[in-house]
Amino acid sequence: NAGVTQTPKFRVLKTGQSMTLLCAQDMNHEYMYWYRQDPGMGLRLIHYSVGEGTTAKGEVPDGYNVSRLKKQNFLLGLESAAPSQTSVYFCASSLEWYEQFFGPGTRLTVL
Amino acid sequence: QKEVEQDPGPLSVPEGAIVSLNCTYSNSAFQYFMWYRQYSRKGPELLMYTYSSGNKEDGRFTAQVDKSSKYISLFIRDSQPSDSATYLCAMRLSSGAGSYQLTFGKGTKLSVIP
Repeated sequence: NAGVTQTPKFRVLKTGQSMTLLCAQDMNHEYMYWYRQDPGMGLRLIHYSVGEGTTAKGEVPDGYNVSRLKKQNFLLGLESAAPSQTSVYFCASSLEWYEQFFGPGTRLTVL
Repeated sequence: QKEVEQDPGPLSVPEGAIVSLNCTYSNSAFQYFMWYRQYSRKGPELLMYTYSSGNKEDGRFTAQVDKSSKYISLFIRDSQPSDSATYLCAMRLSSGAGSYQLTFGKGTKLSVIP
C-alpha cells in the first residue's frame, strides 16, 4: 500500500500561471482533504470531499478549485497563481473522521 | 481570538525528560481531540485520539482533556531523540455543519537532546 501520494513534490510557478496538484489514495477512503501549511499559521483546510463527485469549501477556499471525479483521486487547481499561495500543500484521506492519513506534501513557490 | 491556541516553542529538553505539550481552545462544542506528530518535511501522522474529557495512555504517551478548562495536554515520558518533531493538536465538533473539519493548533516544535 502506498497510502496517500501527492504529485508533484516541488513546483515553482510565476504569478498568473495555473497548475493542478494531484492526490491519490489506495485505502478506499471516502473522505479526502486539501490543506495548506504556512509558518505561524498551522494547517488550514482549503477544500474537502465526502465522496466521489462531491466537494465542499473549507476555511481558506479562495483562489482554489477541486474535483473528485474518481474515489481515489482528489485534484487541487490554482487557476491564476499568486505569491500568497506559496505554501506547503498536504492532501489527506480518512475512513473515519478522526484518523486522517496525510501525504508527503507539495512545496509550491509562486514568484 | 483563534479557536485553538498552541505555544509554537521551540521546546528543547534533555533525553529522558518528561515533556508536556498543551493547547487551549475557545469553542466548547469541540468533542473530539487529537494529537498529530509531524517530522521535518513530512506529513502529520496521528498519535492519539480522545473523545470528551479524561485521560488516554499509549506507551510513553498520555493525552488529557479538561473540557471545563478548555485545555488539552500531551505528556511524553522518557523522551527520546526520535521524539523530536512538531506536535499538532487538533479538534472537531461532534455534529453539525462544521463537524467535517478538523481545527488544528499551530504546532509546538520539540527537540530532545541526547
